[in-house]
Amino acid sequence: TQLLEQSPQFLSIQEGENLTVYCNSSSVFSSLQWYRQEPGEGPVLLVTVVTGGEVKKLKRLTFQFGDARKDSSLHITAAQPGDTGLYLCAGAANDMRFGAGTRLTVKP
Amino acid sequence: KAGVTQTPRYLIKTRGQQVTLSCSPISGHRSVSWYQQTPGQGLQFLFEYFSETQRNKGNFPGRFSGRQFSNSRSEMNVSTLELGDSALYLCASSLYPRTYEQYFGPGTRLTVT
Repeated sequence: TQLLEQSPQFLSIQEGENLTVYCNSSSVFSSLQWYRQEPGEGPVLLVTVVTGGEVKKLKRLTFQFGDARKDSSLHITAAQPGDTGLYLCAGAANDMRFGAGTRLTVKP
Repeated sequence: KAGVTQTPRYLIKTRGQQVTLSCSPISGHRSVSWYQQTPGQGLQFLFEYFSETQRNKGNFPGRFSGRQFSNSRSEMNVSTLELGDSALYLCASSLYPRTYEQYFGPGTRLTVT
């Protein structure tokens, strides 16, 4: 059972388009992380959000933590082929719980 | 600073055998966690070690075990391998347990035939 539900599961878009990925849970987390994973490699940490309502920007990526600290979103502006990968959210509770991921493909 | 290293990167075993995977954390990191990643189940937590002690364990059978050495390096062992154990096994290190800043290694791809 996934404590963290990610949507959509798959996303295929053209270069230059915007997109939003969602991570939802019924549980409250002390922090939430977003990772990106490429084939054959381990996940790479993108950002950590800790405070309810927090918004963090990393170049074209905007991360938001819900006010109740149960959900988060990742918005990518003007997606590029280099953004292609599996995006995972993870919540810190008694241990780290991961969502199933959103597989993003950005076509040139 | 060198990242998390895992050896071997690829491994093929047959059912019934056992396997040992190794993980060297980032220098200074004392906590090591292990995860199993499969297409069907995603990333699932196996266990976490800190200062040579297992601090937390996921919902896996006793065939899965691990340990941590005084230099923080960690190994995990899977005995009596089953076909369903085929997966990418990931190790992540962090300064302290249950911290949110985990850094992953490239993983060991285990195939059980």
